[in-house]
Amino acid sequence: SQELEQSPQSLIVQEGKNLTINCTSSKTLYGLYWYKQKYGEGLIFLMMLQKGGEEKSHEKITAKLDEKKQQSSLHITASQPSHAGIYLCGADHKYNQGGKLIFGQGTELSVKP
Amino acid sequence: DGGITQSPKYLFRKEGQNVTLSCEQNLNHDAMYWYRQDPGQGLRLIYYSQIVNDFQKGDIAEGYSVSREKKESFPLTVTSAQKNPTAFYLCASNWQGGTEAFFGQGTRLTVV
Repeated sequence: SQELEQSPQSLIVQEGKNLTINCTSSKTLYGLYWYKQKYGEGLIFLMMLQKGGEEKSHEKITAKLDEKKQQSSLHITASQPSHAGIYLCGADHKYNQGGKLIFGQGTELSVKP
Repeated sequence: DGGITQSPKYLFRKEGQNVTLSCEQNLNHDAMYWYRQDPGQGLRLIYYSQIVNDFQKGDIAEGYSVSREKKESFPLTVTSAQKNPTAFYLCASNWQGGTEAFFGQGTRLTVV
């Protein structure tokens, strides 16, 4: 089984709808990073969470790290076509290893106009 | 503009040949990383370097080699020993510690 499980693997939503992507770790998280990727391109950093219960927002995207620090969720409000892409969570299991991450399989998001 | 540059974007090689992927950064980052991405498997760490002239194996280092002779450069060689080299390769860099990594645009390697 994967150390870091993302769900769902793919998602198709109508423009304007809300959606949530989950990331569950089998180990304690010291840091959880969310990235977005357009197909065939590099990763763009979205947010980093470190403290249990922490919540961060950027524009219409909100990420939370649960109290027990083993699960994170990414929520998009009022989705737009520009939100389409692959969302990846990356786990820091050994404290302050921001580039040495275990990644989930990714969630491919399509937004229908 | 500061950033991390990978070249080439697409690379085709015949089976049995070694090939070197370039990664250069002008962000003055200490640490650099190489990841491999396959469909449905997310990213997996190949090698990383936290300081010049030093590097460590990641989770899937077999069949790959790296060097870190300059702070700004971290080339990856895919050797003929790598059994399944066709993949999308991503280079990243960051300051040491718990800061986010910046990624290059990737190199898609196809071995025929």
